[in-house]
This record gives sequence, structure tokens and C-alpha cells, in this order.
Amino acid sequence: DGGITQSPKYLFRKEGQNVTLSCEQNLNHDAMYWYRQDPGQGLRLIYYSQIVNDFQKGDIAEGYSVSREKKESFPLTVTSAQKNPTAFYLCASAPILVSETQYFGPGTRLLVL
Amino acid sequence: QKEVEQNSGPLSVPEGAIASLNCTYSDRGSQSFFWYRQYSGKSPELIMFIYSNGDKEDGRFTAQLNKASQYVSLLIRDSQPSDSATYLCAVNGAGGTSYGKLTFGQGTILTVHP
Repeated sequence: DGGITQSPKYLFRKEGQNVTLSCEQNLNHDAMYWYRQDPGQGLRLIYYSQIVNDFQKGDIAEGYSVSREKKESFPLTVTSAQKNPTAFYLCASAPILVSETQYFGPGTRLLVL
Repeated sequence: QKEVEQNSGPLSVPEGAIASLNCTYSDRGSQSFFWYRQYSGKSPELIMFIYSNGDKEDGRFTAQLNKASQYVSLLIRDSQPSDSATYLCAVNGAGGTSYGKLTFGQGTILTVHP
């Protein structure tokens, strides 16, 4: 099955802790994205990557970090510097050499203990 | 002014009616426009994309684009309770460093009541 997977589905963070959200795709898409969604809000771009070993900050990158060592994988780390991390985190990918259409994974809901 | 703005909701329509969802955007150079549906607690799923002025139909859904007015809409004919969801409008950047980036509106909540 082709698709985008995110894990875990729910994640709990303690104060001062870094946590990493996983995103994997087997669609052979070049571009991958991380968004944050707060209740009743649209999607805000955190980071994106259009090629392996390269990534760009989005609109709300502070307190987050990413890596893109493999085409299939784009993990997001929520650092302790992110003071309000509770949100729904969505990973997306796109075949940008063909189309800008983005396809989404199922999401990870991050909660602070 | 927000870059992508959707009509304020929530929008409530009776079953069988036409639901009209609207979106305006500020970047005159935008070329690609997307509508996503998001059920509560789930991730967005693509409904349609449109690149050219005019109408594009897919089943009960019709996307309408007017680049001169910087306006894109989604019509849902014969609305069903299963269409009840949040609808997100997304617009691409004007090229260059914005290529591949989408800006999303805040979403419009649609409720179709029996």
C-alpha cells in the first residue's frame, strides 16, 4: 500500500522534554511538509523539504527541528523551547516535479502533561 | 489582510441542498488552488484542484475559479449528512522560492442536516 504514515498517533510530552514525531512515505514524493493545526484553525507550516539533506523554515519554525536524511523520512522534533506544543501535527508529501498537490498522513496529536 | 480567507461559518444546509463554500486569496500570481475536506479528528483529504479560470466538475463537487477577482469556490450539490466536515481552501505561492508551498485558509465548517 502506498501512503504516508505518522507515529505515534498520540504523544505526551513532559515539561522540558524533547519529543520526535515520525513521518514516512512510500509514494516516492520529493517534497515533505510539517504543519501544525490548533483547534478551529487552519494549517500553519512549520518546516518543509523539497530534496534530501535540505529543508526550509516555514511560518512557525521556532521551537522545532527537522532532518531529511532519506527521501522517505522527515522526522520532526518538538524541543523544550516550544512553549505551547499542544496541537495536531500533520505531515504531508507532494510530487513537486509533477504537481504541488499535497497528500496528508493521519496526524499525531501532541499533549503536554 | 489574511493571505487566504474563507467565508465564515459554520454553514448549515438541509440535505439535498447546494452548499457553497468561498475563498479569496491575496497573491495575484497564484496558479494552483485546492480544496480539502477534513472530518473531525482526522487529517485533510484532497477533494479537488483547479488551475484554470472557470468551472471544474467532479461528481457532486464543482470548483469555480476567477483569477481576476482572486476568488475560488466549491459547490456541493445534493448535499448529504456525510458531507458534514471542515473544508479547507489552499493556494500555492507565486513561484520562485514559494514553489511547492501552500497557504491554507482557516476552514469553513459545513453541517448538512437531515
